Amino acid sequence: DTGVSQDPRHKITKRGQNVTFRCDPISEHNRLYWYRQTLGQGPEFLTYFQNEAQLEKSRLLSDRFSAERPKGSFSTLEIQRTEQGDSAMYLCASTVHLQGYEQYFGPGTRLTVT
Amino acid sequence: DQQVKQNSPSLSVQEGRISILNCDYTNSMFDYFLWYKKYPAEGPTFLISISSIKDKNEDGRFTVFLNKSAKHLSLHIVPSQPGDSAVYFCAASFLDSGGGADGLTFGKGTHLIIQP
Repeated sequence: DTGVSQDPRHKITKRGQNVTFRCDPISEHNRLYWYRQTLGQGPEFLTYFQNEAQLEKSRLLSDRFSAERPKGSFSTLEIQRTEQGDSAMYLCASTVHLQGYEQYFGPGTRLTVT
Repeated sequence: DQQVKQNSPSLSVQEGRISILNCDYTNSMFDYFLWYKKYPAEGPTFLISISSIKDKNEDGRFTVFLNKSAKHLSLHIVPSQPGDSAVYFCAASFLDSGGGADGLTFGKGTHLIIQP
């Protein structure tokens, strides 16, 4: 059973550019979550999906952030017009709805905005 | 306003002794609580959880205690081993309208150092 995978692991971009991150959840996990973690802080919840439905998006940090899970499998998180304050680790997690409440995290994508 | 607080940024414990990590929360409506362990350059790894209707859960060397009246939970690791050196995060969550896991609210973490 492979774990949650994220791609890329590292991304360096210039301010103003758009970036997209991908998350592949554990096979058959129908819930998928996105978090952001900055230095010295715990992960901060952004949004989540059950299959292809986005159940919560009010916690996305601004309208520059969007996420999709078009076929209910992998998900993408896009940040438009990146700012230096977007530099952080972006984490993805997955779980099976109603089979326990623990979420399983991927290794994260570290974004650096220069 | 931080709803989950870990007030000790670091903790040093001798190998073989008990490690006790503490966590306080402010929202009495949280439905369950979890502990995660994180090594550098890796994502958090789930350790143990507890429902808000329980006061203790045990899994091998790890035990979590929940004191609802004090809004406090703790993680006990006995005996502590060198591989336990990591950052430990306390997290809390609600059940959503579908009865499933909502997004987690994390504390800032405690860096546990196991000394040989």
